[in-house]
Amino acid sequence: GAGVSQTPSNKVTEKGKYVELRCDPISGHTALYWYRQSLGQGPEFLIYFQGTGAADDSGLPNDRFFAVRPEGSVSTLKIQRTERGDSAVYLCASSLTWGSKANEQFFGPGTRLTVL
Amino acid sequence: AQSVAQPEDQVNVAEGNPLTVKCTYSVSGNPYLFWYVQYPNRGLQFLLKYITGDNLVKGSYGFEAEFNKSQTSFHLKKPSALVSDSALYFCAVSHHYGSGNTGKLIFGQGTTLQVKP
Repeated sequence: GAGVSQTPSNKVTEKGKYVELRCDPISGHTALYWYRQSLGQGPEFLIYFQGTGAADDSGLPNDRFFAVRPEGSVSTLKIQRTERGDSAVYLCASSLTWGSKANEQFFGPGTRLTVL
Repeated sequence: AQSVAQPEDQVNVAEGNPLTVKCTYSVSGNPYLFWYVQYPNRGLQFLLKYITGDNLVKGSYGFEAEFNKSQTSFHLKKPSALVSDSALYFCAVSHHYGSGNTGKLIFGQGTTLQVKP
């Protein structure tokens, strides 16, 4: 079946611009996560959605970062006034929250964001 | 605070030899432990998890991991390494949903496994 998809795969932008990154989770997965992976580091948690609501946004670095999931499926991570330090691979993952597969997160291929 | 440590940046092993990639964790309560693998230009792939029960868990591609509560470790192992196992491996910890836990993963820094022919 289809896995988690993310678009675009690469995004190059200029400092100060606004960007949107899209995640399409596995059908039926109510939990959705965003992570950020900088070069040479492990992924770092940004935000978690259960259904349409952001249940935990403690990982967002500042108020330039925002994410939505209006219909409980596709999610968009939005970054305002981008800075060079935002350059990283942004990963999306989804999972079930019940049954034997609970907690098993399936990751998308990521969006590589480069801020010039 | 929860944390995961992977003390080795890189592990080198000859094809056919056993391999071990180390992971230790620090977390309150009962942890859920995971191993993921990342191939170049590809997303993270789930290998195995420990939730409860038998301390030795078996996963994909012949990998296994042993949960050791007293040493707070969850080392990844494989009896006979393949060149195709060469990749970046991440250990991660979380808690189950409920009681305020969201299931978010805390990752280690990653260990590059290099298997030479």
